[in-house]
Amino acid sequence: QQQVKQSPQSLIVQKGGISIINCAYENTAFDYFPWYQQFPGKGPALLIAIRPDVSEKKEGRFTISFNKSAKQFSLHIMDSQPGDSATYFCAVFQAARLTFGEGTQLTVNP
Amino acid sequence: GAGVSQTPSNKVTEKGKYVELRCDPISGHTALYWYRQSLGQGPEFLIYFQGTGAADDSGLPNDRFFAVRPEGSVSTLKIQRTERGDSAVYLCASSLVGTGTDTQYFGPGTRLTVL
Repeated sequence: QQQVKQSPQSLIVQKGGISIINCAYENTAFDYFPWYQQFPGKGPALLIAIRPDVSEKKEGRFTISFNKSAKQFSLHIMDSQPGDSATYFCAVFQAARLTFGEGTQLTVNP
Repeated sequence: GAGVSQTPSNKVTEKGKYVELRCDPISGHTALYWYRQSLGQGPEFLIYFQGTGAADDSGLPNDRFFAVRPEGSVSTLKIQRTERGDSAVYLCASSLVGTGTDTQYFGPGTRLTVL
């Protein structure tokens, strides 16, 4: 059963634009909601995470917006750069286990 | 500092063979995790160790898969009688304590190809 649904599957934006990736989850009992960034040939790396008692968290150009009632959260990348081109995964965390979405391949054109 | 390392980086084997994949976690991390990532998919949880013991092995797909962490540091994922469907990238992660929401740090993975 798929607990995390991520969209879009792929995204192309121009340098300086805003990238938005969305996730929806099916269970209410998760502890926190991280986003991971993965480059080809590398393991995923934590980008930013939010707890369910917070509606928004910002770190530099990256912002998570969290809507508990809708069971949705999103990643916003401001001023997107070519170096941001990677695959992004949302995840939910419970009892030491991460459950990942299917990923979004982001391409930022120069 | 040193991150999570995994060996080998690539493993090609034939259907029916036995393979071992090794993970060296970040020094001092008590929690260790194995995930499997199929092409175009997100990582899928396999097993979680707290110290030497498997705290949660509910993600192991069947009894051909087994993992150990005898001294609470290095871990080995063992796959018996490999099948073509086992082909994937096997990721290892470690975290400081494994409780609360401490960050899981991932290694680069071992790409397993079963011919």
